[in-house]
This record gives sequence, C-alpha cells and structure tokens, in this order.
Amino acid sequence: DTAVSQTPKYLVTQMGNDKSIKCEQNLGHDTMYWYKQDSKKFLKIMFSYNNKELIINETVPNRFSPKSPDKAHLNLHINSLELGDSAVYFCASSQLQGGYGYTFGSGTRLTVV
Amino acid sequence: DAKTTQPTSMDCAEGRAANLPCNHSTISGNEYVYWYRQIHSQGPQYIIHGLKNNETNEMASLIITEDRKSSTLILPHATLRDTAVYYCIVLTQGGSEKLVFGKGTKLTVNP
Repeated sequence: DTAVSQTPKYLVTQMGNDKSIKCEQNLGHDTMYWYKQDSKKFLKIMFSYNNKELIINETVPNRFSPKSPDKAHLNLHINSLELGDSAVYFCASSQLQGGYGYTFGSGTRLTVV
Repeated sequence: DAKTTQPTSMDCAEGRAANLPCNHSTISGNEYVYWYRQIHSQGPQYIIHGLKNNETNEMASLIITEDRKSSTLILPHATLRDTAVYYCIVLTQGGSEKLVFGKGTKLTVNP
C-alpha cells in the first residue's frame, strides 16, 4: 500500500493546456501539501491544506488551483501551462503542522513543450 | 528562508560512518531540528528529529550540541543506497510553520 500516491507519474503537455495532478494519502493525516522542485533542485512549498481548508498559499500564480474534496485527497489543477511550469511536483501529508513526519509521494514530472 | 547552513557536498566510504554537520546558530528554544533526505528521483524522506537530547532510530543518530547551535546526523554504516541529498531543517513542532528545504548536503557513498 502506497502511503501517498500521485498520478500521473509523468506528464508531457503543450503550452496553453490545462492539466491536473491527483494526490491521495491513506495515512489518515489531516494536512496535505504540494511542493515544486525545479530544474535547480530547489524544493518549494506551494500550498497546504488542513482538513480541506487552505492554510498556506505561497506566491504561486493564479493558474495553479489546489482542490481538496476530502482530507485524503489534494489535487492540483494548472491552467494555461507555461514552459516555466516544467518541474517535479511532490504531494505530501502530515498529521501535525510543523516538521514532524511528513510523508512525500514519489512525484509527478511535468514537462511543458 | 532556510535557517540552517550545511556543506554543499560530502563523500563517504561504504561501510564507514557518515557524519553530516548542520549549523543553526539562530535556533530558538521551541524549535526542533529535523533531518530529511532525498534520494535521486524520489520524494523526500523523514529521517529523524530532536529538540536538545541526542536521538537514535533505525536509520540514524542525531547529536545536538549543548548550546543547540549545531547538530550532526550520523549514518553509522553508510551504504550505496544512502547516497542522497540530506536536509537539515529547524522549526517548531505542531505549529503553523511549513517545512522549508534549503540546499542540503549531497552525500555520495563510494564503494
């Protein structure tokens, strides 16, 4: 059983398209996150949801919209994809806010061409 | 903003102990030290955390200096699979702070 699963693992799409990445966790955690890792390997937090409520929204373009239908799912929808959106996106969950015991998914590699 | 400084890279021989240092001179009293690692093409993985006492689990040991301004992560018998980027992070536990990754230390375990 994968604790935090993301789909798809790879996504290649053209500029201007709209795409979604899905994330599900079966750990019973209350908080879920999206992180972006760019080509320089810097990991940056994008969003955080606690029990379906948005609690962290970093300076991310409005084209990125997270959606949490329930506390086990946090999807990321991206509109009008741009070349600079190419990156690896990681979903994570934790029981408590703060640093303890984040569990990350295996990542979705998005390539915009 | 990362509150820690770590060497950019380190090498270690397989089977030997890997000692990864981290400086966190501005750490406050309620902040914990966390260690995560990211093996190539995988998501980050939690290793260990501590407040002021030394900690040990099945993966590693964490040694925190008495003044808490620095710490060392110890992998007692490094294997090739321990090659990864290791991140030292400080923040409060159970607070609203987010896990912020710095540049980390790229550890290469050599055969």
